[in-house]
Amino acid sequence: KQEVTQIPAALSVPEGENLVLNCSFTDSAIYNLQWFRQDPGKGLTSLLLIQSSQREQTSGRLNASLDKSSGRSTLYIAASQPGDSATYLCAVLVWGGGFKTIFGAGTRLFVKA
Amino acid sequence: DTEVTQTPKHLVMGMTNKKSLKCEQHMGHRAMYWYKQKAKKPPELMFVYSYEKLSINESVPSRFSPECPNSSLLNLHLHALQPEDSALYLCASSQEPGGPSTGELFFGEGSRLTVL
Repeated sequence: KQEVTQIPAALSVPEGENLVLNCSFTDSAIYNLQWFRQDPGKGLTSLLLIQSSQREQTSGRLNASLDKSSGRSTLYIAASQPGDSATYLCAVLVWGGGFKTIFGAGTRLFVKA
Repeated sequence: DTEVTQTPKHLVMGMTNKKSLKCEQHMGHRAMYWYKQKAKKPPELMFVYSYEKLSINESVPSRFSPECPNSSLLNLHLHALQPEDSALYLCASSQEPGGPSTGELFFGEGSRLTVL
């Protein structure tokens, strides 16, 4: 059974710092890995998607990497800003009688001004 | 248009009520999903529809009844719910991965359900 783990569970950093969020998964048979952002009480916003054949994706100050063989992904945020404060969720797409996306518990990020 | 629209945004219901949550997408996606999210927890998959057919039911109690009337619409019918069913209900859609499709998942803003 696929399990997704995110470390750390919470992170508080001063504005301007570069930071790395970690995600690991137990079964390498994934179709893709997606990073999401969620603000309190809101839906999930897709940040980056890495297909299983890819190693990394970049969007603005965000860079996500994928090492499928070791079951790991990282989300790098450069020059963090208070507006980056949110929960970041990692999710993998797997087959289980149908395609389904399994989520990690998330990292709650607080960027101090 | 990369939008998934959910209504209502907020719903309060008693344990004997019958209500429905609605979800709509116009991205041509053929897979649609219902997730349940409790506070400070990740979303938990409830149901998956693929090409308007139910493909996954994650052992959800029968008081939750999904319906996919067409490829753009997804409903969740609620009946005789319990207070512990109070949560944020999220709808999502995607194309299935393969070929040019990445399988990217798009979420709506959710329906906040409170059961009294």
